[in-house]
Amino acid sequence: GDQVEQSPSALSLHEGTGSALRCNFTTTMRAVQWFQQNSRGSLINLFYLASGTKENGRLKSTFNSKESYSTLHIRDAQLEDSGTYFCAAEAGNYKYVFGAGTRLKVIA
Amino acid sequence: DPKIIQKPKYLVAVTGSEKILICEQYLGHNAMYWYRQSAKKPLEFMFSYSYQKLMDNQTASSRFQPQSSKKNHLDLQITALKPDDSATYFCASSQDPGQGADTGQLYFGEGSKLTVL
Repeated sequence: GDQVEQSPSALSLHEGTGSALRCNFTTTMRAVQWFQQNSRGSLINLFYLASGTKENGRLKSTFNSKESYSTLHIRDAQLEDSGTYFCAAEAGNYKYVFGAGTRLKVIA
Repeated sequence: DPKIIQKPKYLVAVTGSEKILICEQYLGHNAMYWYRQSAKKPLEFMFSYSYQKLMDNQTASSRFQPQSSKKNHLDLQITALKPDDSATYFCASSQDPGQGADTGQLYFGEGSKLTVL
């Protein structure tokens, strides 16, 4: 079936530093979406991409549909960035497959 | 104001009983979805509907039955509850995917956390 491999599974960052999260897809996906799940369990939309790169503040995401991967870059990490980040790939009409998530902890 | 309303936020049920999870969206979307998140698995796709028609079903068990009385409602009935059904159930909606830029973008409700004893 459709698979999404997300890495790393966990990440610790000091405030002010940055890193990248990655999702690899086993089949061609139409689009990808990135979410942050906060401590209350709410899923917050970060990006939706059918191709290319989008940037919003300290976050930037890229989707390369030909090479079947997407990345989420976080720079200048802040304490409030802590949470679990998920990618979700649009595998077909009306179906999205989620990665296992990256648990991010930002340390002061 | 929340645009996707899920009720109840928390519920506890006994094994063998039946519960209905409510979802209403006020985003004007045609497509609605149910996802499940448990401690053991990541967010797991269950169902998708568009214009009240079932589009995809990845739930093996017939104990899970979506019910759509209106285009902006998609409830989830769960019968013969088991402890393994304990999870947070998320409702989501989107415009019809593939109909234009960003139409497939998912928006999630706050979830209904179900505990089965």
